[in-house]
Amino acid sequence: SAVISQKPSRDICQRGTSLTIQCQVDSQVTMMFWYRQQPGQSLTLIATANQGSEATYESGFVIDKFPISRPNLTFSTLTVSNMSPEDSSIYLCSAEWGGTEAFFGQGTRLTVV
Amino acid sequence: AQTVTQSQPEMSVQEAETVTLSCTYDTSESDYYLFWYKQPPSRQMILVIRQEAYKQQNATENRFSVNFQKAAKSFSLKISDSQLGDAAMYFCAYGVGNTGKLIFGQGTTLQVKP
Repeated sequence: SAVISQKPSRDICQRGTSLTIQCQVDSQVTMMFWYRQQPGQSLTLIATANQGSEATYESGFVIDKFPISRPNLTFSTLTVSNMSPEDSSIYLCSAEWGGTEAFFGQGTRLTVV
Repeated sequence: AQTVTQSQPEMSVQEAETVTLSCTYDTSESDYYLFWYKQPPSRQMILVIRQEAYKQQNATENRFSVNFQKAAKSFSLKISDSQLGDAAMYFCAYGVGNTGKLIFGQGTTLQVKP
């Protein structure tokens, strides 16, 4: 199994600013993922982050808005850029393990005012 | 494209009773994984149970079991002897191949009454 530390756990940000969320895994993993969970909703995949290559974004998500870094096999960041109140959500990172299971960080609750 | 549907936004159960949460999915793939995740108010996603599509035998984990009907593309979760700590949002999820990528259903909020 993998233990994933995500920070910050929550933040309140002004519109127009950016926030970078960090995700640290306690072991090396090939793929990491970033999900968004809007209030009262399900999880939607933003992008897949592989080490050494650009992230792969899902439909409706773009790199300019959600730039992702994956500098090594245990760490990734997601930046939410030029924030608006519509970006208020929970953002979760996850790590694939053996191709059969995904482990999750505890999530970042973002409120944009 | 694969989809996952949970048609029960909310369910409630008496403590010590049994409850079943429903999930259907759509895929043209033959090899995949299905999961149930629990999300308590802490937001932490906790894996409850996993089913490999190639296995006919239904997965069980202590008080949790699934009814996997591959032909019907149905994957329900049964919670036996419900406990107050089972109260949470439950998500059914489809695992895309060996990618680790998950597609989630809309979620079912489970209330456990003492």
